[in-house]
Amino acid sequence: EIVMTQSPATLSVSPGERATLSCRASQSVTSNLAWYQHKPGQAPRLLIHGASTRATGIPARFSGSGSGTEFNLTISSLQSEDFAVYYCQQYNNWAGTFGQGTKVEIK
Amino acid sequence: QVQLQESGPGLVKPSQTLSLTCTVSGASISSGGYYWSWIRQHPGKGLEWIGYIYSSGITYYSPSLKSRVTISQDTSKNQFSLKLSSVTAADTAVFYCASTYCGGDCYPHLFDSWGQGALVTVSS
Repeated sequence: EIVMTQSPATLSVSPGERATLSCRASQSVTSNLAWYQHKPGQAPRLLIHGASTRATGIPARFSGSGSGTEFNLTISSLQSEDFAVYYCQQYNNWAGTFGQGTKVEIK
Repeated sequence: QVQLQESGPGLVKPSQTLSLTCTVSGASISSGGYYWSWIRQHPGKGLEWIGYIYSSGITYYSPSLKSRVTISQDTSKNQFSLKLSSVTAADTAVFYCASTYCGGDCYPHLFDSWGQGALVTVSS
């Protein structure tokens, strides 16, 4: 099983600031990496797939980078609606595994 | 845009069978190219894929749960369902249904739409 490790567990950021979230895979997943946003009581939302391709309707302030084992999600200027938990997920191999999540909270 | 909504009992007794239904709108579950999945999240833990049913009715389950899981579909109601047998407290989780549409390159575990989730507690 490919283990996905996210850091940090919690990120405290002021509105308008930049946030960078990291995700590491225990072995290469090429570019088959997705990021999801999850707010309490809501359905998780696909943000990024293919490591860097924004899903339909996702604002340009969200960007993804990386390949192989190291990936980042950057939110260029945090808006109030961006405070949430973010999960990375590899879908390169069987079953697709998720990271434990990074909570982005208001500083 | 596909929308999904989970429903079912919020409390199940140990050793019994957990049953959940996902109602789909915005797409037909029998339309080609769609995978319909169940995913769970234990309290304070990460997300775990349980299994999926393809629009043709073919199913695939996580090896760790395969002996206890059944996913089925009801095309007349545009729903698909999860049954997890012999539950224990360790099966307490929020259960999500999700969909994947494969229009070109196909990655069944890339979930483009999700339901809001249903908390199921296993307790006597």
